[in-house]
Amino acid sequence: GQQVMQIPQYQHVQEGEDFTTYCNSSTTLSNIQWYKQRPGGHPVFLIQLVKSGEVKKQKRLTFQFGEAKKNSSLHITATQTTDVGTYFCAGRSSNTGKLIFGQGTTLQVKP
Amino acid sequence: DTGVSQDPRHKITKRGQNVTFRCDPISEHNRLYWYRQTLGQGPEFLTYFQNEAQLEKSRLLSDRFSAERPKGSFSTLEIQRTEQGDSAMYLCASSLATPGVPNQPQHFGDGTRLSIL
Repeated sequence: GQQVMQIPQYQHVQEGEDFTTYCNSSTTLSNIQWYKQRPGGHPVFLIQLVKSGEVKKQKRLTFQFGEAKKNSSLHITATQTTDVGTYFCAGRSSNTGKLIFGQGTTLQVKP
Repeated sequence: DTGVSQDPRHKITKRGQNVTFRCDPISEHNRLYWYRQTLGQGPEFLTYFQNEAQLEKSRLLSDRFSAERPKGSFSTLEIQRTEQGDSAMYLCASSLATPGVPNQPQHFGDGTRLSIL
């Protein structure tokens, strides 16, 4: 079945350093979504990417969707302590409502 | 917009007992999803509804799990004859699917944490 893998599993950075998490799917995706989950909280939607090669920015966050629509990345520039949490990618292989989540990348930021 | 509401927040029960969780989605949302999340993992898809119709169910879901959304509003997830491996956070999410834009963001509830003794 469809699998979505994320690396790294954990990342510790000094405040101000950059951070990147990578997401790879075993199948071609119709779209990919990114969510953030704070410790003790629930996943919160960040963004959706649909087009091959798409790049979207939200302030210090940059999201990319690969040309083959099988991979994606999230890059945070100049991390802040408020960026702490687990970042999940979640992909769909068709127009079904079913989302497959990656295992997540947990970001710790040292002040 | 009161968000997605789940009840109870915590459930502790003995192995072999049946449990039922409730989810109230955002009122105008027609899709409702159930996920299971264990520590260090992403949400694992269980099933989803569009209105009252259950459109997809994970093959990983055993016959002990059943979900309903009888009137297309709230949903219940029942686990029969619970096992230790059922201990997890059960998350509900809802979204609004429209003909032109079926894949909208999912809004999650705070979850029900199930502990099996």
